[in-house]
Amino acid sequence: AQSVSQHNHHVILSEAASLELGCNYSYGGTVNLFWYVQYPGQHLQLLLKYFSGDPLVKGIKGFEAEFIKSKFSFNLRKPSVQWSDTAEYFCAVKSKAAGNKLTFGGGTRVLVKP
Amino acid sequence: DAGVIQSPRHEVTEMGQEVTLRCKPISGHNSLFWYRQTMMRGLELLIYFNNNVPIDDSGMPEDRFSAKMPNASFSTLKIQPSEPRDSAVYFCASSDSKTEANEKLFFGSGTQLSVL
Repeated sequence: AQSVSQHNHHVILSEAASLELGCNYSYGGTVNLFWYVQYPGQHLQLLLKYFSGDPLVKGIKGFEAEFIKSKFSFNLRKPSVQWSDTAEYFCAVKSKAAGNKLTFGGGTRVLVKP
Repeated sequence: DAGVIQSPRHEVTEMGQEVTLRCKPISGHNSLFWYRQTMMRGLELLIYFNNNVPIDDSGMPEDRFSAKMPNASFSTLKIQPSEPRDSAVYFCASSDSKTEANEKLFFGSGTQLSVL
């Protein structure tokens, strides 16, 4: 069964610091990769996604993620965070071999101190 | 576009009672998903439908859980009887899976369920 691992459960950092959240998945076939974000009191929304092409994907709000197939990873990055980036971030993977089911990682809670 | 609409927003019930959660997906979307979110287990897929047909219900924890999608604009998740360990936030999401490039999940605001 496919699985998604997010290495950090909680991250605390100051404004203007750089952020990198790790995500690894277990399935080796063709995958589609996603990062979703859940701001406090809000529902999940898509941050960015990778389907094919350039492995470096740009998303909203200055976020980007890099797909490294050899490492089964899809890490999320932002060079300079803001207080408004405080949220929970979820990595998700979908593969046709798994019936197109979207599997989420456990999430990483990010707290940005002003 | 009103987005994915879930009701109720909050549900507090006693152990043993039946609970029904409702979801109205975005019009035109052909896939619907039910997720459960808890601190311990994160976001778990319970079941998903494609064109109103259940495709994968392997995430449904027990026979106490059932889900239906009688038409393209409505789905229910029922727990009968409910137990305290069912307390969680239940999210419904829909997507247009006909075009891969456009595919993404749109989530509802969730139903916060507390079973006492």
